[in-house]
Amino acid sequence: GAVVSQHPSRVICKSGTSVKIECRSLDFQATTMFWYRQFPKQSLMLMATSNEGSKATYEQGVEKDKFLINHASLTLSTLTVTSAHPEDSSFYICSAGLGTGAYTIYFGEGSWLTVV
Amino acid sequence: GDSVTQMEGPVTLSEEAFLTINCTYTATGYPSLFWYVQYPGEGLQLLLKATKADDKGSNKGFEATYRKETTSFHLEKGSVQVSDSAVYFCALISASGGSYIPTFGRGTSLIVHP
Repeated sequence: GAVVSQHPSRVICKSGTSVKIECRSLDFQATTMFWYRQFPKQSLMLMATSNEGSKATYEQGVEKDKFLINHASLTLSTLTVTSAHPEDSSFYICSAGLGTGAYTIYFGEGSWLTVV
Repeated sequence: GDSVTQMEGPVTLSEEAFLTINCTYTATGYPSLFWYVQYPGEGLQLLLKATKADDKGSNKGFEATYRKETTSFHLEKGSVQVSDSAVYFCALISASGGSYIPTFGRGTSLIVHP
């Protein structure tokens, strides 16, 4: 099956610093990747849709200047949390779409961000 | 817009019990339907999918049938195991203007006791 990999799986950063999370589709090319945020015991919150070679589309209420998304190639999208604060601590999950046959979304392993 | 409604959890069962997690949807057009599973501390894994009416998706003893007439995609398993304890997400993907738009339910937590 299609494999999506995220890195790092866990990161701790100091308040005010920036941290980058990478999302890679390992065995397929993904023109579209999705970034989600998940709070403990809660559902997924779509943050933005990332399209290769163009600007990401952010959901309402998501600060585009704080959560920078770059989709520079067909296999890599990055999420950079800028000037992180403790309230940004969360589980961030990326996913990538594969259109062979029925369009299907495959998820990465997730990244735990803790801002101290 | 599209929406997915799942039964609220947690669903608590004893090992070898029968499992049903209800999922209904509203969508324009003909979406594909999915079940994903999330084990504690991990990302989501695709469990099964169905792409058209009356299709049955199955995997690891789980199955779900795409019912267009009732707009449902209920997840079932005949005999659950402790290792099935996880959160299950029902989802649909519909096409709109050349883009594919995923919509997820809120997730249903399953707890299986020995």
